[in-house]
Amino acid sequence: IQMTQSPPSLSASVGDRITISCRPSQSISNYLNWYQQKAGKAPKLLISAASSLQSGVPSRFSGRGSGTDFTLTISGLQPEDSATYYCQQTYSWGFGQGTKVEIE
Amino acid sequence: QVQLVQSGAEVEKPGASVRVSCEASGYTFTSYAIHWVRQAPGQGLEWMGWISGGNGNTKYSQKFEGRVTITRDTSATTVYMQLSSLTSEDTAVYYCAREFTVADLGSFDCWGQGTLVTVSS
Repeated sequence: IQMTQSPPSLSASVGDRITISCRPSQSISNYLNWYQQKAGKAPKLLISAASSLQSGVPSRFSGRGSGTDFTLTISGLQPEDSATYYCQQTYSWGFGQGTKVEIE
Repeated sequence: QVQLVQSGAEVEKPGASVRVSCEASGYTFTSYAIHWVRQAPGQGLEWMGWISGGNGNTKYSQKFEGRVTITRDTSATTVYMQLSSLTSEDTAVYYCAREFTVADLGSFDCWGQGTLVTVSS
């Protein structure tokens, strides 16, 4: 299953709302997770099962979608959100190419 | 607390093998699968394979089939990943991660700190 993430990178301002897209090459129901990776660190699980926010993750993060169309939204971007975000399908555990988010 | 602690950085020559360890603590070791993911410099995440918690079954990415072996020592609560026939393209940070599954929906809820493997002559 190929995972296509877009955009590859984006730059936005504090307070902005941004959306990252993830499209698997075949339907995966809600078998999709989102991770955040900061420079030099291990990835961190943000959202599982497409929309389930992990404990301790700020509510400005949200995920939605099913089948072949998924999105991660950050509402009210904060400086600490500067990171690369990856989607992952759990049929065969593959990842998207990542989206690098920079704060202007 | 749940923790995965990996072994230190390695430098290997082309053609050699490397073994990276991942010691688990803070949970029942045999109740959770462990996966291995790697990340080449400046690149994305790449899934390599996993070992189940219950019976130790393994499954590998087709890309690494025949070159990677994942094993475990339940008495030491440690998982090992061995990669053979190394080339410069295997230079990467290697991560172990615990799979947390609810109602058949899995995710990697805890990650090791990563181990840098450098392949250089």
